[in-house]
Amino acid sequence: DAGVIQSPRHEVTEMGQEVTLRCKPISGHDYLFWYRQTMMRGLELLIYFNNNVPIDDSGMPEDRFSAKMPNASFSTLKIQPSEPRDSAVYFCASSSHSSYNSPLHFGNGTRLTVT
Amino acid sequence: KNEVEQSPQNLTAQEGEFITINCSYSVGISALHWLQQHPGGGIVSLFMLSSGKKKHGRLIATINIQEKHSSLHITASHPRDSAVYICAVGLRVRFGNEKLTFGTGTRLTIIP
Repeated sequence: DAGVIQSPRHEVTEMGQEVTLRCKPISGHDYLFWYRQTMMRGLELLIYFNNNVPIDDSGMPEDRFSAKMPNASFSTLKIQPSEPRDSAVYFCASSSHSSYNSPLHFGNGTRLTVT
Repeated sequence: KNEVEQSPQNLTAQEGEFITINCSYSVGISALHWLQQHPGGGIVSLFMLSSGKKKHGRLIATINIQEKHSSLHITASHPRDSAVYICAVGLRVRFGNEKLTFGTGTRLTIIP
């Protein structure tokens, strides 16, 4: 199994530009999570999906952020327009069940820099 | 008050030493996870536990539900164990909605 695949690994963009991060979860996993990691705040949950349906998006910072999961093998996190404070590492993770009884499998992350 | 507290924040030890990292939480949880993040940035799940003790190689994780406390132990530590260790607790927000809350991590450095 290739694990959770994220792209791109690095993204540098200018303030105001649209950014799209992509994630392919492990086949058969029903849960997909988007996390953001910064030095100041550590790891934070942005949104998670169960069977392609968004369950909790309370961690999405503001309307500039949106996430979709059109099918079981693909998800996107979009920031439009991007701002310097969005600079962080964004992780996608998947699991076969909820965090109640299943370990998480993380992708390698996307390091986003907004100048 | 943070829902998840880890200690110490930083730990430096000599190769071969026994390492203990602690995690305390303030609310009832469904499960607790220990994660490892290497300098390259990748995050690996080490353990998921809701009671008792688990062991994998030189790593041991314990949890005391009554005291709301978990420990991660590393026996015979090695420089390759140098990483950030993160505790995360699973909270049931409401039926059908569970989410992880993360500690700030413990940066471990093992000196040869």
